[in-house]
Amino acid sequence: DGGITQSPKYLFRKEGQNVTLSCEQNLNHDAMYWYRQDPGQGLRLIYYSQIVNDFQKGDIAEGYSVSREKKESFPLTVTSAQKNPTAFYLCASSIGWNYGYTFGSGTRLTVV
Amino acid sequence: GESVGLHLPTLSVQEGDNSIINCAYSNSASDYFIWYKQESGKGPQFIIDIRSNMDKRQGQRVTVLLNKTVKHLSLQIAATQPGDSAVYFCAEKGMTTDSWGKLQFGAGTQVVVTP
Repeated sequence: DGGITQSPKYLFRKEGQNVTLSCEQNLNHDAMYWYRQDPGQGLRLIYYSQIVNDFQKGDIAEGYSVSREKKESFPLTVTSAQKNPTAFYLCASSIGWNYGYTFGSGTRLTVV
Repeated sequence: GESVGLHLPTLSVQEGDNSIINCAYSNSASDYFIWYKQESGKGPQFIIDIRSNMDKRQGQRVTVLLNKTVKHLSLQIAATQPGDSAVYFCAEKGMTTDSWGKLQFGAGTQVVVTP
């Protein structure tokens, strides 16, 4: 079945550490996105990529980095510069600019 | 900076009744709208979409209504079931080059179905 897979489901980070969240899709979608969701709030865009080897900052990119070396993969690194990283992170993909998104099941990141 | 957490608007519905969830969108240039359902701890799931050349679209037990004059979107769920309990988000997609392909999400409405 085609879909979008995020891993791990739960992730714990110590202060000062970088962590990388995985996002893989086999839908052959060109565009991929990373969102952050905090309790009781909507989704905020971190980074997005329209095509391989290209990506743009979203509304809250500070403290995060991404890469898009393959069409199927769009990993997100939460760096130590992100002051409040505890959140639910959602990856999504889209076949094109005028279509909706397919979401992954999310990664819950907690700072310990 | 980070926002303080907010309580979502909540809609309480009795099982079997119809639900109506409302959403006001901000961009008059938006031409594509989607409703998503998100259950606790899961990613959002697509429910139904509508383009700006339509004012109504129906799916299985769901209907989306679009009023471009007042920039209002609604989702109607017929015969609400316990499995419909979730947070519902509306999303809009703009047509400006700056907003290429990016969905803008509303804050969401918590739907609670009571027996």
